[in-house]
Amino acid sequence: SQQGEEDPQALSIQEGENATMNCSYKTSINNLQWYRQNSGRGLVHLILIRSNEREKHSGRLRVTLDTSKKSSSLLITASRAADTASYFCATDDRSSYKLIFGSGTRLLVRP
Amino acid sequence: DGGITQSPKYLFRKEGQNVTLSCEQNLNHDAMYWYRQDPGQGLRLIYYSQIVNDFQKGDIAEGYSVSREKKESFPLTVTSAQKNPTAFYLCASSKEGAYEQFFGPGTRLTVL
Repeated sequence: SQQGEEDPQALSIQEGENATMNCSYKTSINNLQWYRQNSGRGLVHLILIRSNEREKHSGRLRVTLDTSKKSSSLLITASRAADTASYFCATDDRSSYKLIFGSGTRLLVRP
Repeated sequence: DGGITQSPKYLFRKEGQNVTLSCEQNLNHDAMYWYRQDPGQGLRLIYYSQIVNDFQKGDIAEGYSVSREKKESFPLTVTSAQKNPTAFYLCASSKEGAYEQFFGPGTRLTVL
């Protein structure tokens, strides 16, 4: 079952530009996480935001969470070619503590 | 170095054969997970285990089996009952459910 859905599915930007990707989910959550996946590799955790938080920063990453709209956004500022990857949001299933992943946004940063 | 390892990196199987994918972690995590990823898709949960000697089915458990005899190890067997097993398989672990998960590098399984 899909809980989080990312938008857009694919995004192509020039190096130095900002990249914004969005995630929508359906049910109440304890927290929402963002992960990055380079092609053919495992996922790497980027940031976790709790349901009582509205915004969180980590380096060039800024995550917002709007629980009333059941949505989150990930902003990558001053993008680099090395940011090229797929980005996934993941939400918890409050009844069983599983993580449910969206289908991801494929980001291409052109040099 | 602490981490989570998967082997092999690539695996080829003939139709009708069972294969076992290895997943080992030395992070002292209680919870471990197996996911399947198809091209251009997100992750789908196959099985998960929150404690040794216990595991639960995920969303797509049919045709798969697991065991959790040791805290460090969570092998996944892809049986001949799995109709379309060609995929990228990812193992993960965490301190407890719903928090940061640490992923292995994955095993790409191809059925010939």
